[in-house]
Amino acid sequence: GQNIDQPTEMTATEGAIVQINCTYQTSGFNGLFWYQQHAGEAPTFLSYNVLDGLEEKGRFSSFLSRSKGYSYLLLKELQMKDSASYLCAHMDSNYQLIWGAGTKLIIKP
Amino acid sequence: IAGITQAPTSQILAAGRRMTLRCTQDMRHNAMYWYRQDLGLGLRLIHYSNTAGTTGKGEVPDGYSVSRANTDDFPLTLASAVPSQTSVYFCASSESRDSSGELFFGEGSRLTVL
Repeated sequence: GQNIDQPTEMTATEGAIVQINCTYQTSGFNGLFWYQQHAGEAPTFLSYNVLDGLEEKGRFSSFLSRSKGYSYLLLKELQMKDSASYLCAHMDSNYQLIWGAGTKLIIKP
Repeated sequence: IAGITQAPTSQILAAGRRMTLRCTQDMRHNAMYWYRQDLGLGLRLIHYSNTAGTTGKGEVPDGYSVSRANTDDFPLTLASAVPSQTSVYFCASSESRDSSGELFFGEGSRLTVL
């Protein structure tokens, strides 16, 4: 079957670094996505990984290991506006997105 | 600003009533989707459309129907609403379904069925 797991909630301090992990099991794989969703708003795209390794985009980086079924989102120099839910999703062999429940990130001053 | 527009943004309706959630995009995307988002669960796909004139069932299609008469519009209909359909509904689009392209989401429609 297909499954995707990420922590329910994390807390971090403004200015620090936080890593949000995501693990998945799938019979087919066409990429791993990360989305940001502020409370009461729509999800917005952050990153896409299809090959192993680290993709860096400003303060945000995303890592993928296909052999381990593992990804993480790394947020550096945390700002209060980074308080949001972060959604992990993998695309299966039928090009359907399978979504995790999201990780609520709380940033404290 | 180009994007996806959903209506209504919020609605309360009685069980058994018929309801249509509207979705319009102006990005000329081929693929469109309807998701529901419930607390503690990931986004779940209700129905999708690869291109105008075609639709497909997602993970949780029962009780819902869709149509795709043209590229821009993708309405979602609840024929006879039930309380378990209380949720936040998101419409989304992408250039095509079988690609690595990002999804663009509407602002969501919060539906409460009493």
